[in-house]
Amino acid sequence: SQQGEEDPQALSIQEGENATMNCSYKTSINNLQWYRQNSGRGLVHLILIRSNEREKHSGRLRVTLDTSKKSSSLLITASRAADTASYFCAIGSGNTGKLIFGQGTTLQVKP
Amino acid sequence: KAGVTQTPRYLIKTRGQQVTLSCSPISGHRSVSWYQQTPGQGLQFLFEYFSETQRNKGNFPGRFSGRQFSNSRSEMNVSTLELGDSALYLCASSLRGMGTGELFFGEGSRLTVL
Repeated sequence: SQQGEEDPQALSIQEGENATMNCSYKTSINNLQWYRQNSGRGLVHLILIRSNEREKHSGRLRVTLDTSKKSSSLLITASRAADTASYFCAIGSGNTGKLIFGQGTTLQVKP
Repeated sequence: KAGVTQTPRYLIKTRGQQVTLSCSPISGHRSVSWYQQTPGQGLQFLFEYFSETQRNKGNFPGRFSGRQFSNSRSEMNVSTLELGDSALYLCASSLRGMGTGELFFGEGSRLTVL
């Protein structure tokens, strides 16, 4: 399956701590993307990393991609209560042209 | 620039009825993708339209259909509704296609089937 598998399914941390979420996949990719969803709302794009890139940063976000291990991680540094949301990785396939989402990680940041 | 607009936001239907959901993409975006989100199955890809043509399709029964108009607005239709069709239906637009770059999502249409 192209679908990304995310780990952990749920994560609860204190404000100020770092949060790390992982995504593994099984097929070749064109790119891998991370999205955020607040409860019952639409998804918001966070960051896109292409298959020939290894690391990208955006503000407090850091994404790594290891194509040899078929895995990616999203690190949120110095988390805030407002970071409480679900985070999804999405696999962009060069073969099918599809963008398939993982099951997501639910992050709770306690004030 | 206006974002992706989905209508209606909420609707309640009964089994056997049909429903049509609408999505207006960001101006200039030619690709519209549809996803179904449920607590049990997560985000499931329905289909993608690009310049009025269905370019990709997920694994949903034929009761789920869609179309795209010349102005890139898209509609999806679900016929003979079942209880399991209760979900948040999300559409997303992109400039070049769903697999190549960032998707911009609407707020979704929440369908409840009774």
